[in-house]
Amino acid sequence: AQSVAQPEDQVNVAEGNPLTVKCTYSVSGNPYLFWYVQYPNRGLQFLLKYITGDNLVKGSYGFEAEFNKSQTSFHLKKPSALVSDSALYFCAVRDKNFGNEKLTFGTGTRLTIIP
Amino acid sequence: NAGVTQTPKFRVLKTGQSMTLLCAQDMNHEYMYWYRQDPGMGLRLIHYSVGEGTTAKGEVPDGYNVSRLKKQNFLLGLESAAPSQTSVYFCASSYPVGQPHHEQYFGPGTRLTVT
Repeated sequence: AQSVAQPEDQVNVAEGNPLTVKCTYSVSGNPYLFWYVQYPNRGLQFLLKYITGDNLVKGSYGFEAEFNKSQTSFHLKKPSALVSDSALYFCAVRDKNFGNEKLTFGTGTRLTIIP
Repeated sequence: NAGVTQTPKFRVLKTGQSMTLLCAQDMNHEYMYWYRQDPGMGLRLIHYSVGEGTTAKGEVPDGYNVSRLKKQNFLLGLESAAPSQTSVYFCASSYPVGQPHHEQYFGPGTRLTVT
């Protein structure tokens, strides 16, 4: 079984400060990990993914995420937050086992950037 | 490219009525998915398809049926709507797992209310 935990329902950050949105995962094998963002009344947009290789992954809009196998974490980060980053963020995991087509999502973290 | 489109955007049903949600993608993706999004629960997989003519159950399939008669379309049916099916429904598509770009792309969603 695979699962994702996003321990914070809400994160508030002042504009210009660094931001972190936390994600931990559980899979039986090696993971594929993803971050998606959802703006109000919109579908989910892909931000970045970890497949293999470098543990630091860079994605859209200046976001990056660090894969930590020992802590089973994949936290989303950005050095300097913008008000336009305010949205709902979802972490997702898929086990690399062959034939596993399903993606499991966390419950989401609402990020609010305060001007 | 339109990406993933969903029809309709909004719908209100009475208990017991039926309806079909249509998802279409123009990216030649093999895999297609239907999710529902409820507050505090993230996205939950209803049904998915790994190719034309194939479907499989996800996490919450009860009360829903699907069909994938053409590669580009994935239909979600509610035979007898219940208030518990009030939700926002998202369709997604992707290349097969194992290909370099197998992240899922999402449609804009259908907001369904069952009274």
